[in-house]
Amino acid sequence: RKEVEQDPGPFNVPEGATVAFNCTYSNSASQSFFWYRQDCRKEPKLLMSVYSSGNEDGRFTAQLNRASQYISLLIRDSKLSDSATYLCVVLLNNAGNMLTFGGGTRLMVKP
Amino acid sequence: EAQVTQNPRYLITVTGKKLTVTCSQNMNHEYMSWYRQDPGLGLRQIYYSMNVEVTDKGDVPEGYKVSRKEKRNFPLILESPSPNQTSLYFCASSLSRGGRGRNYGYTFGSGTRLTVV
Repeated sequence: RKEVEQDPGPFNVPEGATVAFNCTYSNSASQSFFWYRQDCRKEPKLLMSVYSSGNEDGRFTAQLNRASQYISLLIRDSKLSDSATYLCVVLLNNAGNMLTFGGGTRLMVKP
Repeated sequence: EAQVTQNPRYLITVTGKKLTVTCSQNMNHEYMSWYRQDPGLGLRQIYYSMNVEVTDKGDVPEGYKVSRKEKRNFPLILESPSPNQTSLYFCASSLSRGGRGRNYGYTFGSGTRLTVV
């Protein structure tokens, strides 16, 4: 079983749609969680950290459920520019700051 | 501008010819790391460094070496490259931990696409 699992997609949605991605992680001792965005052939870029209380940044909302070891990302009012691969990332802080990446979920927003 | 700089961006080399991919960050970050990204396998960590002169193996360290003589630089060395090291490589850095359960995320370099023939 992979340490961080995501549905690879692709998710094809029309502009303006709301889309949600899920991610599960296997190590219950994981302490920090992130969503990164990666455009084709480019470097991953931090989209947002995920906190236990949930957090929102504009059209993006991230939630963490520690009991179920589950992380989600909700994108409202999708834009064409949201098309990218979204990486769920988990950090085990007592493992030398080693990030573990999910395989990514590809999002395609269509006009 | 705060950034992580990798060089070269593209490299084609032959099997067995030693090469170094450089990585430099200007953010005074303590943590630096190297990843490789392959289709279907995602990003996998090669080596990481928690500070100067402190390095450790990640998930896939075989065939690679690193050094951290200065805080800003973290070169990746392939002593004898082989075709299975053809990949997209990313260097990343981050601040030291900001407190229990918190981390400021990683900043990635633009990537180095390496082809070993």
